[in-house]
Amino acid sequence: DTGVSQDPRHKITKRGQNVTFRCDPISEHNRLYWYRQTLGQGPEFLTYFQNEAQLEKSRLLSDRFSAERPKGSFSTLEIQRTEQGDSAMYLCASSLGSQREKLFFGSGTQLSVL
Amino acid sequence: AQKITQTQPGMFVQEKEAVTLDCTYDTSDPSYGLFWYKQPSSGEMIFLIYQGSYDQQNATEGRYSLNFQKARKSANLVISASQLGDSAMYFCAMVRGVIKAAGNKLTFGGGTRVLVKP
Repeated sequence: DTGVSQDPRHKITKRGQNVTFRCDPISEHNRLYWYRQTLGQGPEFLTYFQNEAQLEKSRLLSDRFSAERPKGSFSTLEIQRTEQGDSAMYLCASSLGSQREKLFFGSGTQLSVL
Repeated sequence: AQKITQTQPGMFVQEKEAVTLDCTYDTSDPSYGLFWYKQPSSGEMIFLIYQGSYDQQNATEGRYSLNFQKARKSANLVISASQLGDSAMYFCAMVRGVIKAAGNKLTFGGGTRVLVKP
């Protein structure tokens, strides 16, 4: 499988706990994106990386959220001190950064905070 | 600020018939790109079609075509010859600029659920 993979597919946690998600992009893609999707809504942009550099962060990304992409390959998204409002699907996408940029999405990590 | 509006929360379509999904957008940027994605129950967002704001012709990709009306700021998706596997959520999305340096920060609409009836 050469698509974008995300791990885990589902995560259930208690409020106040920390969680970390992983995304492995398509290997030759230099751009990596994180989006959040709540039930019945379209995805909302969180942040993106060009290689290992984090170039933009949404205001949705509070200081409890941190994303990294060491060595410009896989990426992790950590949420500290989770809150019930963090419950959502977290989608990762990657792209080549060409002019007509097509994002390839993973299947997402569904987070439920109890 | 950009905004995407999809006014149809859900619709039924008979197998083998065509269906049109509405999308209107609002932006002050002269250059932008419009996308349609399909999201089946598995959760993955699947790219369907792209239209650049300066493209002279409407985009087509197999059974998908985009009815781009720039003056009306609409970018409706037409699915011809619907199949049972077309049942999914469909999202319209926009990106500022068509230059690669902009990065692809997509703004999505709220989606339309399509159910294809046999």
